[in-house]
Amino acid sequence: EAQVTQNPRYLITVTGKKLTVTCSQNMNHEYMSWYRQDPGLGLRQIYYSMNVEVTDKGDVPEGYKVSRKEKRNFPLILESPSPNQTSLYFCASNGGTFSYNEQFFGPGTRLTVL
Amino acid sequence: GENVEQHPSTLSVQEGDSAVIKCTYSDSASNYFPWYKQELGKRPQLIIDIRSNVGEKKDQRIAVTLNKTAKHFSLHITETQPEDSAVYFCAASECTSYGRLTFGQGTILTVHP
Repeated sequence: EAQVTQNPRYLITVTGKKLTVTCSQNMNHEYMSWYRQDPGLGLRQIYYSMNVEVTDKGDVPEGYKVSRKEKRNFPLILESPSPNQTSLYFCASNGGTFSYNEQFFGPGTRLTVL
Repeated sequence: GENVEQHPSTLSVQEGDSAVIKCTYSDSASNYFPWYKQELGKRPQLIIDIRSNVGEKKDQRIAVTLNKTAKHFSLHITETQPEDSAVYFCAASECTSYGRLTFGQGTILTVHP
């Protein structure tokens, strides 16, 4: 089944404790992105990747890191999480043979930073 | 960078009525405009998109119109049904930057039976 997976789905952590949210897609998509969703602010792009080892900042990259060492994986790293990073996070991928621009979203990760 | 404004933030209609959601964008280089629907507790999913070389696109009860001169585009849902209740997001991007997408703030649509 073609899909984007994220882990964990829920995470409660404390300020300053490094964490990684994994994202994987099995559609051989070139592009992958991370978004955060906050009430009233919509979906805001954090980082995106055009291919292996090629990444670029989105609209709200501060406090986040990403890496793309393999085409299928695009982890999101919070080196020192803060309470203002409490949010719902979505990974997405696009770049398939059909509907090249359509972003396929993962199920989301709800992060709470205390 | 691109800025997308979406209105209204909430929209309440009776079943069978039409619903219209409007978005404006700032970057004249944007030429791809998708709409995503997010049901409660679910992930966003693409429902319709339009490119700048057309002014209107229709798919059954949903349609999107684009005015490039005025830099605005709209989603039209006719004969609304309770299952249309969801959050709707517009977005804009430049087709040569396939990974880069800027979303609007979202519209919570409620369709009352």
